[in-house]
Amino acid sequence: GIQVEQSPPDLILQEGANSTLRCNFSDSVNNLQWFHQNPWGQLINLFYIPSGTKQNGRLSATTVATERYSLLYISSSQTTDSGVYFCAADNTGTASKLTFGTGTRLQVML
Amino acid sequence: DAEITQSPRHKITETGRQVTLACHQTWNHNNMFWYRQDLGHGLRLIHYSYGVQDTNKGEVSDGYSVSRSNTEDLPLTLESAASSQTSVYFCASSRDSNTGELFFGEGSRLTVL
Repeated sequence: GIQVEQSPPDLILQEGANSTLRCNFSDSVNNLQWFHQNPWGQLINLFYIPSGTKQNGRLSATTVATERYSLLYISSSQTTDSGVYFCAADNTGTASKLTFGTGTRLQVML
Repeated sequence: DAEITQSPRHKITETGRQVTLACHQTWNHNNMFWYRQDLGHGLRLIHYSYGVQDTNKGEVSDGYSVSRSNTEDLPLTLESAASSQTSVYFCASSRDSNTGELFFGEGSRLTVL
């Protein structure tokens, strides 16, 4: 199956800083999603982005499918951005086959 | 607002007991999924369903079962709980089987003693 790798595994930022999280995948994908797991454990869908670029407030994501990676940008980070960011990918055409990366743990300090 | 809810949120049980975790969604999504999250393993798929009366095994289905009698509910049953099934369980749903965004419930923390 598809392999999904995320980097960096851990990231500590000062509030207001920008960051880029990376997700590499081993094969072409037709489904790529980013999630945020907050410190209380809740998993929130951030982006569905198998290709192209999307923006939602201070967050944006870009997937370059031909080069097999996706990037999540966080600008002007806030303490509420803390948590774990997961990407998940699929190349079988079925949502059930989403493979999750191991996540990037982000801590935003005051 | 439409949502996906899990119950119970926390449960402690003993080895060998049967346990059922409930999942209810009000989005009218056809697709529902159960994942478990463990340190070092990330999120792994247990079972999934594409509609009423449809159930399928995922990556780690041994010791678990699901049933889908209506669109809204996908209960997860541990037939005989084992300590290895101590985990956080997440239910999720999506509208489209091929490319739908996945939405998660709040999670259920299960401890098997």
